[in-house]
Amino acid sequence: NAGVMQNPRHLVRRRGQEARLRCSPMKGHSHVYWYRQLPEEGLKFMVYLQKENIIDESGMPKERFSAEFPKEGPSILRIQQVVRGDSAAYFCASSPGVGPTNYGYTFGSGTRLTVV
Amino acid sequence: TQLLEQSPQFLSIQEGENLTVYCNSSSVFSSLQWYRQEPGEGPVLLVTVVTGGEVKKLKRLTFQFGDARKDSSLHITAAQPGDTGLYLCAGADTGGFKTIFGAGTRLFVKA
Repeated sequence: NAGVMQNPRHLVRRRGQEARLRCSPMKGHSHVYWYRQLPEEGLKFMVYLQKENIIDESGMPKERFSAEFPKEGPSILRIQQVVRGDSAAYFCASSPGVGPTNYGYTFGSGTRLTVV
Repeated sequence: TQLLEQSPQFLSIQEGENLTVYCNSSSVFSSLQWYRQEPGEGPVLLVTVVTGGEVKKLKRLTFQFGDARKDSSLHITAAQPGDTGLYLCAGADTGGFKTIFGAGTRLFVKA
């Protein structure tokens, strides 16, 4: 009964490279949320996806960042041409239904991205 | 823009003491959640409160949702070292699609 699986746990990229972060939601969950956390701060919403659809990407930078949740396979958060300011912990959460009111979020352990 | 402010930001207490953490906003939320996060891990959901004035208990933890659904508190009785962690409150906007988080209260309980 695996929870939300994120990989890799740690990712080091040089400035200008691409970073791909993967998230497999809990079995039976079709709603995925990505958050970014800087040291000593709370989580900042980035994007909410359902299978094959982006529902809300209001928290995601317009340039260099993209997210997808294909019909088959994990959700991917992609950061192109990374810069030092992208260094952060990126968390994925999933839920079986819309919003947290009735269902709650289950978080993965995160991917810690370091840009050198 | 909806914001959640948590206080205090940091709390260091002795084992056995009681404490209260606050989460305040000027916005109304359809629900509010409390999470606990340990270093190197993702947040773990503790409770969801939905109804204004609602009180929920989880062993030594008591959660309250304000009558106007704009604020919440977390009270821990007889804190233990195992309670150490980052406590985050999170509110669901009225559309229910997006959850915003406070900056958290970092609790350290000394044995």
